[in-house]
Amino acid sequence: AQTVTQSQPEMSVQEAETVTLSCTYDTSESDYYLFWYKQPPSRQMILVIRQEAYKQQNATENRFSVNFQKAAKSFSLKISDSQLGDAAMYFCAYRSSNQGGKLIFGQGTELSVKP
Amino acid sequence: GAGVSQSPSNKVTEKGKDVELRCDPISGHTALYWYRQSLGQGLEFLIYFQGNSAPDKSGLPSDRFSAERTGGSVSTLTIQRTQQEDSAVYLCASSQLGGASYNEQFFGPGTRLTVL
Repeated sequence: AQTVTQSQPEMSVQEAETVTLSCTYDTSESDYYLFWYKQPPSRQMILVIRQEAYKQQNATENRFSVNFQKAAKSFSLKISDSQLGDAAMYFCAYRSSNQGGKLIFGQGTELSVKP
Repeated sequence: GAGVSQSPSNKVTEKGKDVELRCDPISGHTALYWYRQSLGQGLEFLIYFQGNSAPDKSGLPSDRFSAERTGGSVSTLTIQRTQQEDSAVYLCASSQLGGASYNEQFFGPGTRLTVL
């Protein structure tokens, strides 16, 4: 069975600075997807960024980028130029390519942004 | 169109009572997922519906939990004889398709269930 681990329960960053959230996963599959979701206090899960395992190039979405290390099974999220609105719980998630699409989530990292 | 909606937003019930949680997916989405978010267990998959196929119930924690999806649209998650450990936020998500191809899952705002 696949597992996802986020070892940082809480992180803090100064506004306009850069922060990196860590995620590792365990799987025996070679084809899968990885995601970072943001959950603000409203509880609405919002997709931040996704990575297909077959792509070597790291995904980027504006101020958000990932460092995908397939051999090391590592998938970290970098947030550049942090903004107050980035404060939220961040979840790393894994999706197999052949198990119907269900997501397996890490425990989450609560990010606070200091003005 | 509208996003995924869930009702009620909050539900308080007494131990031993049955509860029903409702999810309205995005129109046209054939795949629907239920997840549970609790303090002790984090975010965990419960059940997955894809079109007319048999649902994947592999995440349901006990036989007190069941779900159905009528007409390929609205889904109801039922918890019988609720226990205090059932207290959690129940999230629903839908996507255009499930299966091998990637389709983004859109989440609803969740139902916070509190069992006294």
